[in-house]
Amino acid sequence: RKEVEQDPGPFNVPEGATVAFNCTYSNSASQSFFWYRQDCRKEPKLLMSVYSSGNEDGRFTAQLNRASQYISLLIRDSKLSDSATYLCVVNGVRDFNKFYFGSGTKLNVKP
Amino acid sequence: GAGVSQSPRYKVAKRGQDVALRCDPISGHVSLFWYQQALGQGPEFLTYFQNEAQLDKSGLPSDRFFAERPEGSVSTLKIQRTQQEDSAVYLCASSSQTAGELFFGEGSRLTVL
Repeated sequence: RKEVEQDPGPFNVPEGATVAFNCTYSNSASQSFFWYRQDCRKEPKLLMSVYSSGNEDGRFTAQLNRASQYISLLIRDSKLSDSATYLCVVNGVRDFNKFYFGSGTKLNVKP
Repeated sequence: GAGVSQSPRYKVAKRGQDVALRCDPISGHVSLFWYQQALGQGPEFLTYFQNEAQLDKSGLPSDRFFAERPEGSVSTLKIQRTQQEDSAVYLCASSSQTAGELFFGEGSRLTVL
């Protein structure tokens, strides 16, 4: 079983829509959670960290559900520029510095 | 610039050839990671350095893969006797703190014919 699982999508949404992605992780003792964004043929870049209490950054909201071992990302008022692949990242337990990436969820925002 | 720099950006190798991929991390970043990303997949962990020490190499797919960071700065990922399944983008990332933000280079795209 993979450490991190994501729905690959694609999610095709119109501009202005609200869209949500989930990802599940296998190790209940994981401590650090992140969402990275990767544009086509580019490197991944940190979008936001995910805190236990949930956190918001503008149009983006991240939530952590430890009981069910999933992380969510909500994007409100989608922009064309939000089109990208969103990677869920969880750090290792035995090695805190080891990061596991999901396969990514592709988002296409249409005009 | 001040970001992570990788070279070459593109490499085409014949099967059986050896390749070396270079990563120049952000100055002062003690942690350096190598990831392999196949088409349509997320990055897969290969190996991790803290300064010059290779603390984890559990993700290296075979003994044909070797990584080093002799002076705790620049790192090289070497692949010997390349195979077609080695074709992927090899991403290097550095970080200034434990479990902190990873800063990625643009990657080295390896194609093995």
